[in-house]
Parts: sequence; C-alpha cells; structure tokens
Amino acid sequence: NAGVMQNPRHLVRRRGQEARLRCSPMKGHSHVYWYRQLPEEGLKFMVYLQKENIIDESGMPKERFSAEFPKEGPSILRIQQVVRGDSAAYFCASSLQGVVEQYFGPGTRLTVT
Amino acid sequence: EDKVVQSPLSLVVHEGDTVTLNCSYEVTNFRSLLWYKQEKKAPTFLFMLTSSGIEKKSGRLSSILDKKELSSILNITATQTGDSAIYLCAVEARSKLIFGTGTRLQVFP
Repeated sequence: NAGVMQNPRHLVRRRGQEARLRCSPMKGHSHVYWYRQLPEEGLKFMVYLQKENIIDESGMPKERFSAEFPKEGPSILRIQQVVRGDSAAYFCASSLQGVVEQYFGPGTRLTVT
Repeated sequence: EDKVVQSPLSLVVHEGDTVTLNCSYEVTNFRSLLWYKQEKKAPTFLFMLTSSGIEKKSGRLSSILDKKELSSILNITATQTGDSAIYLCAVEARSKLIFGTGTRLQVFP
C-alpha cells in the first residue's frame, strides 16, 4: 500500500518559468491538501481539494498559483512565473475523509534561481 | 486570525533527559489538536487529541490537551538521539489544519 507520492522531489526553476508539482494520494483517499514550508517555519495551509472540486483555497496566493485534482490522475499545484520567494518545500497530504489523520508525502523542494 | 504558537522554538538536551514541548492556540471552531514529528522529510502523525484532560501515550511519548487553557503539551521521557526532529503542533479548525512553527529538538549522546 503505497503512501502519498510526490514528484519531482527536487525542482529547480529560473525566475519567470512555470513549476508543476504533482501529488498522488494514498489509495482510496479522495481528500488532498497542499502546504508550503519555508526554511525554519511551520507548514502553511494552501488549498484543500476533493476530486474535481476546490473546497478551501484560502491559503493560496491570489496570483500565479493554482491547484487541481482531476477525476483521473494526480493533484497538480501549478506556480506560474516563479519568483525567488517561491523557493520552499511543498508538501501534499491526503486523507480518507475529512481533515484529520492526514498522511503526508515526502515533499517537493522548489528552488528558484 | 487563527494562530498556533509553540514553545520553545529550539531545545538541546542530552540523552536520558525528559522534555516538555508546549502548544497554545487561538482558533475559531476548534475540533482537535494533532502532534507530528518531522525529521528530514514528511511529517509523521503522533497523536490526535479532542477531549480535555485525557492523556494519549505511545511508548516514551505522551500528550495531553487542556481546552480551558487552550493548550497542549507533548512529553518525551528518557530521550534518545533518534528523537531529534522538529515537533509540529496543528489544530483542526474550519476544514483545515493550522500548524505552529514547530519546536526543534536536538538530543546529544
């Protein structure tokens, strides 16, 4: 029973490029959460999705960031026109139902040069 | 604004010591409090607390919630070098988890 999968594990982008981060939830989980972690900081909630629906995106920056969780395939967090301040670890978590007992993936470390 | 505050930010101890990590919160519609351990990668779940005064225990780790004081503590007894990690406290409120900044624990032999 594979856990939450994220890829790539490391991503380097130049300023202005696009970053696409993928998350495959645990088998049977239909709730996906994205978090961002800056160095020496805790996890900051970004967005909560269920299949084909965004439930809560209150933590997402209004511009350049978007997320989706299609009926088939992984959840995608997309960052357009990346800037240095986007450099962080992005974690995805999934749950069977509701908010608690979220299982985290290994994260994608994004570096913007 | 919802917030979760952890203290201390950093702790350095020797093996065998006992440590207490603190978490306090101010959130709307509190539902539960969770503790996670984060080593180099993904946070791993430790405890979920919903009721005040009931201690959860797992080996040398234990945790308790005080809803009156809006706080929780995580105790680790007889610490080992393998306990070195960041310990994250999170509160479930309004369909999401709100995390504190974590306590970085370093245990030296």
